[in-house]
Amino acid sequence: AQTVTQSQPEMSVQEAETVTLSCTYDTSENNYYLFWYKQPPSRQMILVIRQEAYKQQNATENRFSVNFQKAAKSFSLKISDSQLGDTAMYFCAFMKPGANSKLTFGKGITLSVRP
Amino acid sequence: EAGVVQSPRYKIIEKKQPVAFWCNPISGHNTLYWYLQNLGQGPELLIRYENEEAVDDSQLPKDRFSAERLKGVDSTLKIQPAELGDSAVYLCASSPGLGWSYEQYFGPGTRLTVT
Repeated sequence: AQTVTQSQPEMSVQEAETVTLSCTYDTSENNYYLFWYKQPPSRQMILVIRQEAYKQQNATENRFSVNFQKAAKSFSLKISDSQLGDTAMYFCAFMKPGANSKLTFGKGITLSVRP
Repeated sequence: EAGVVQSPRYKIIEKKQPVAFWCNPISGHNTLYWYLQNLGQGPELLIRYENEEAVDDSQLPKDRFSAERLKGVDSTLKIQPAELGDSAVYLCASSPGLGWSYEQYFGPGTRLTVT
């Protein structure tokens, strides 16, 4: 079974600064997919970024980028130029491909952006 | 385009009472998911539908939980009887298809409090 670990329960960052959220996972699979989801206080969860394990290039989406270290089973999210609207819970998630694929989420991290 | 709609947003019931949650997925999305999210935790899959067929209900406590997706569109999740430990947020998500390449779109959730 796959596990996803987010060991930092809370983080805080000053507006316009950069912050990195950590995530590690455990799997015996070689092909899989990793995701970061954002859940603002309104609770509607949205996809921030995703990474295919077979791709060496780290995914980027505007101010969001990941540092994917496959050997270390690490998948951190970097948020550049933090904005107040980035305040939310962030969940790291794992999915293996196949007909029975499903998302396995970590416990999440609460990020607060200070004005 | 309307997102995933869930109702009610909040529900307070006494233990041993029944409760039902309703979900209307994004139009055209064949795959529908119900997740349970306990406080301070990531979502956990309860059941997944492909059209009207439940393709993964291995995590659904079938002694008290039931779900249906008539005509492969709207879905209802029911708990009967509710227990104190069922207090949580119940999230519904939908996607165009099954698998990693299909982004899951989440609804706002129903926060259930069992007293």
